[in-house]
Amino acid sequence: GENVEQHPSTLSVQEGDSAVIKCTYSDSASNYFPWYKQELGKRPQLIIDIRSNVGEKKDQRIAVTLNKTAKHFSLHITETQPEDSAVYFCAASKGSNYQLIWGAGTKLIIKP
Amino acid sequence: EPEVTQTPSHQVTQMGQEVILRCVPISNHLYFYWYRQILGQKVEFLVSFYNNEISEKSEIFDDQFSVERPDGSNFTLKIRSTKLEDSAMYFCASRGEGSSYNSPLHFGNGTRLTVT
Repeated sequence: GENVEQHPSTLSVQEGDSAVIKCTYSDSASNYFPWYKQELGKRPQLIIDIRSNVGEKKDQRIAVTLNKTAKHFSLHITETQPEDSAVYFCAASKGSNYQLIWGAGTKLIIKP
Repeated sequence: EPEVTQTPSHQVTQMGQEVILRCVPISNHLYFYWYRQILGQKVEFLVSFYNNEISEKSEIFDDQFSVERPDGSNFTLKIRSTKLEDSAMYFCASRGEGSSYNSPLHFGNGTRLTVT
């Protein structure tokens, strides 16, 4: 079955700098890749997603890139702010039934 | 903006007891899901439900678990005889018709289940 690996487990960056979180997936049939942000004790919230026929997508300070050949995708956050501090999860899915397979999460710490 | 609502927010139960976690998905959504997250770990898929039946379930979703949509609005997860390792945050999610990309998941705030 699908396996999603996520790195790093913890990322500490200076406020204003960029942060990059990387994920790899194993099943080449996966075609949908969302990223979720989860603040402590709260629900995961979708922040950006990409499907397999697109290589890059951007939404203000957040961007996601997908390399289908290498089976990896990355989240890029530019000009980081204190409110970006959270745990970020990548996920992969195939088909319309939407069984999301999640990465282990990255704790992003923004240092003032 | 419509939300998925879950009750209770926190449930404490003794080992061996039955618990029912309740969810009200967004009203025009057709696909319903339960996920769980053990403290500090990744979110894990439990089960998906569509057209009044289970469409897919994971290895975690064994005979101790069941789901039901008893009426037009509620979607419940029952754990028949709770174990200590069932302690986790349980998230309900729903989505509308269409592809995963066009109809993303909406999560509820979760129910924290503590089994003592």
